[in-house]
Amino acid sequence: GAVVSQHPSWVICKSGTSVKIECRSLDFQATTMFWYRQFPKQSLMLMATSNEGSKATYEQGVEKDKFLINHASLTLSTLTVTSAHPEDSSFYICSAPLFAGANVLTFGAGSRLTVL
Amino acid sequence: AQSVTQLDSQVPVFEEAPVELRCNYSSSVSVYLFWYVQYPNQGLQLLLKYLSGSTLVKGINGFEAEFNKSQTSFHLRKPSVHISDTAEYFCAVTEGFGNEKLTFGTGTRLTIIP
Repeated sequence: GAVVSQHPSWVICKSGTSVKIECRSLDFQATTMFWYRQFPKQSLMLMATSNEGSKATYEQGVEKDKFLINHASLTLSTLTVTSAHPEDSSFYICSAPLFAGANVLTFGAGSRLTVL
Repeated sequence: AQSVTQLDSQVPVFEEAPVELRCNYSSSVSVYLFWYVQYPNQGLQLLLKYLSGSTLVKGINGFEAEFNKSQTSFHLRKPSVHISDTAEYFCAVTEGFGNEKLTFGTGTRLTIIP
């Protein structure tokens, strides 16, 4: 079945540094990927839609300069949290549809970011 | 705009008892509905989905859900729960065919009591 792989699964960094999270689609190509953020004991909030070969589409209230998204190939999207601060600590989850227009998404296992 | 409401934030249930997790949605167009399960520190796993056809949908791990358009509900049920069902359950909706953007409910934490 379709698998989405995220790396790293957890990361701890110092305040002010940048952290990159990778999201890969295995065995299928994803022209679109979605990045979600989940605070402890809360729901998933869509941050942005990553589009292969073009700029990402950010949801209202999400700082695009803070959360840089790059979708350089059909199997890889990256989320870079720039100049991370403790309030950026969260669980970040990516997902991808098996094919364009598919209503069903496959989710990665998530990446837990802790900023000290 | 679509929205999803999960009224119960926590549901404790004794092992082998039945359970129902409630989900209501609002939308002005046709919707597609999903239930996802999240185990601690993991991503989301699809339990079941309603896209069209029969309103009673069966999923993995013995779960099922019924789409009720008149009541705008998509409640999740299991006749007999197991300890391993302890997890967070999210109801989600997307509008229209080909729309990949999911809107999630706030989640229900199901705790199974031995």
